[in-house]
Amino acid sequence: EPEVTQTPSHQVTQMGQEVILRCVPISNHLYFYWYRQILGQKVEFLVSFYNNEISEKSEIFDDQFSVERPDGSNFTLKIRSTKLEDSAMYFCASTRDRGYNQPQHFGDGTRLSIL
Amino acid sequence: GDSVTQMEGPVTLSEEAFLTINCTYTATGYPSLFWYVQYPGEGLQLLLKATKADDKGSNKGFEATYRKETTSFHLEKGSVQVSDSAVYFCALANRDDKIIFGKGTRLHILP
Repeated sequence: EPEVTQTPSHQVTQMGQEVILRCVPISNHLYFYWYRQILGQKVEFLVSFYNNEISEKSEIFDDQFSVERPDGSNFTLKIRSTKLEDSAMYFCASTRDRGYNQPQHFGDGTRLSIL
Repeated sequence: GDSVTQMEGPVTLSEEAFLTINCTYTATGYPSLFWYVQYPGEGLQLLLKATKADDKGSNKGFEATYRKETTSFHLEKGSVQVSDSAVYFCALANRDDKIIFGKGTRLHILP
């Protein structure tokens, strides 16, 4: 079964540095998402992306964050000037069709640790 | 805003025991409801879903029924196995397509 793949599985970065988290969605999917889970807390929506544009973003997704689909396969989340509170598990998800009854397919996540 | 509340864990059961993990939601309109599971070291996998009232989602022996009158979507399994040990997330999606998750319930099954 096709999978969403995320790299790296674990990223350790110094505070203030930029980090790029990478995702390869399922090949025929058109809608892409990032979520994060701070340790011990809920999985939270960050952003949705379709047709090379952000469709929706949460209040967490401020100017520090950006997303990009640089080629036909990758979907990236960039965090500029990382802060300690950015330490979390980041999940990428994709779906073929839009609509609230379409289940999203998730990757295994990238654990981001900010030192 | 929309939200999901699920029972606190961890839940520890013996193999072959009956499992219930409670989940209630708050939402306007008619959301779709999901249970996702996260096995150790893995990502979030869809376990089951229900898209309208009185629908029953089922998969791998797990079931959950969409109860609009009680705004609930409790997860049940008649006989759990050690391999069911994981974190279970109740979730909803409403008019937009972002998913709102509960905090997750960690389940330990003892042999």
